Amino acid sequence: DAGVIQSPRHEVTEMGQEVTLRCKPISGHNSLFWYRQTMMRGLELLIYFNNNVPIDDSGMPEDRFSAKMPNASFSTLKIQPSEPRDSAVYFCASSPRGFPPGQPQHFGDGTRLSIL
Amino acid sequence: AQTVTQSQPEMSVQEAETVTLSCTYDTSESDYYLFWYKQPPSRQMILVIRQEAYKQQNATENRFSVNFQKAAKSFSLKISDSQLGDAAMYFCAYSLNSGNTPLVFGKGTRLSVIA
Repeated sequence: DAGVIQSPRHEVTEMGQEVTLRCKPISGHNSLFWYRQTMMRGLELLIYFNNNVPIDDSGMPEDRFSAKMPNASFSTLKIQPSEPRDSAVYFCASSPRGFPPGQPQHFGDGTRLSIL
Repeated sequence: AQTVTQSQPEMSVQEAETVTLSCTYDTSESDYYLFWYKQPPSRQMILVIRQEAYKQQNATENRFSVNFQKAAKSFSLKISDSQLGDAAMYFCAYSLNSGNTPLVFGKGTRLSVIA
């Protein structure tokens, strides 16, 4: 079975450019999570969706960040305009409906984003 | 808010020996789940083991086992017969009682395995 698919794997761009990160969750999973990993702050939640509906976006750093999930098989995370402090690894994860509860999240391979 | 603390930024172990990684957490909830994830240099996040808070029995997966102390809010990971492939960052994580809530991660412990 295919796992969570993220693209691109690496992205290098200049400050001020728009960046779009993409995620395809595992088929049948109804929850999708975006996390960011940095040396300073570790792994932190940005936003998550249940059944394509955003539930909690309190982790989104500022208005430059936006995320969408137009259907059950696709999500995007956009940064516009990008800044050097956005450089990080961005993970997408998905999990199935919670029965039995405590289903683990399955992670994509992450996108390493470098803003010059 | 829930927090997860890993007090050991780095650990090392000799090949074939046993090592224990520590994790404590803070929550006011009674029903939750705890996880250990492994992140090798390839940066994949790999689930190692999961523990349901309502279960008293400690979870075990082959060479990996946990010591779950609910009253103390402690969740340590024991790796037995350490192998070179166990070298990685290990993250302790917490979530509420369903698969549809976010994970809260500790800062991680970098484990080195010495041949």
